[in-house]
Amino acid sequence: QVQLVVSGGGVVQPGRSLRLSCEASGFTFSDYGMHWVRQAPGKGLEWVAGIWDDGSNQYYPDSVKGRFTIYRDNFKKTLYLQMNSLRVDDTAVYFCARDQEGGYKRPFDFWGQGTLVTVSS
Amino acid sequence: DIVMTQSPASLAVSLGERATINCKSSQSVLFTSNNKNYLGWYQQKPGHPPKLLISWASTRESGVPDRFSGSGSGTDFTLTISSLQAEDVAIYYCQQYYDIPPITFGQGTRVEIK
Repeated sequence: QVQLVVSGGGVVQPGRSLRLSCEASGFTFSDYGMHWVRQAPGKGLEWVAGIWDDGSNQYYPDSVKGRFTIYRDNFKKTLYLQMNSLRVDDTAVYFCARDQEGGYKRPFDFWGQGTLVTVSS
Repeated sequence: DIVMTQSPASLAVSLGERATINCKSSQSVLFTSNNKNYLGWYQQKPGHPPKLLISWASTRESGVPDRFSGSGSGTDFTLTISSLQAEDVAIYYCQQYYDIPPITFGQGTRVEIK
């Protein structure tokens, strides 16, 4: 069965960096686009990064562009989110999610369980 | 950016009654070349990640009960729960994946039992 296991969250000071990982199993990882979505405490869903199946294209909203980097290792079946220059308002649960089969511009059909990132001094 | 606006923010419905959630996009999410609306609906229960219920505005995902249905086209969409069950208590989000980046979500609608 499809599984996405997210790790790497924790407490970090403003301005510091953190890297999240999402380990995939139960499907051919290299066939699917992947994403990171976050949810601040008590708030709604915010998409923060996406990457094509082969890793050749990454895309971000303006809120994280230049600070966050999404990348993947298809051999290790793992998705990453490198977060630099963290701010207090980056505090959230971070989920990884898989594109529905079929290429670009798809809904997210499987989600990992999420990891909490707290940015605080 | 396409802004997704859901209404109402919350609703309370009696068990067995109908629940209706609306989602309006600031621009059309209909791709005329394939006649598909790039609109999804998600259910999120406390402490859990979201779950995809409906894709392409009206296609129910495998395993999703048929009391859930999606309708609409262009800029106006609806998620209907035909007969609310206790396990349907959750927050529901719409999402557009047409004009990206960014992929955008509605602010969510909380469904409770009256």
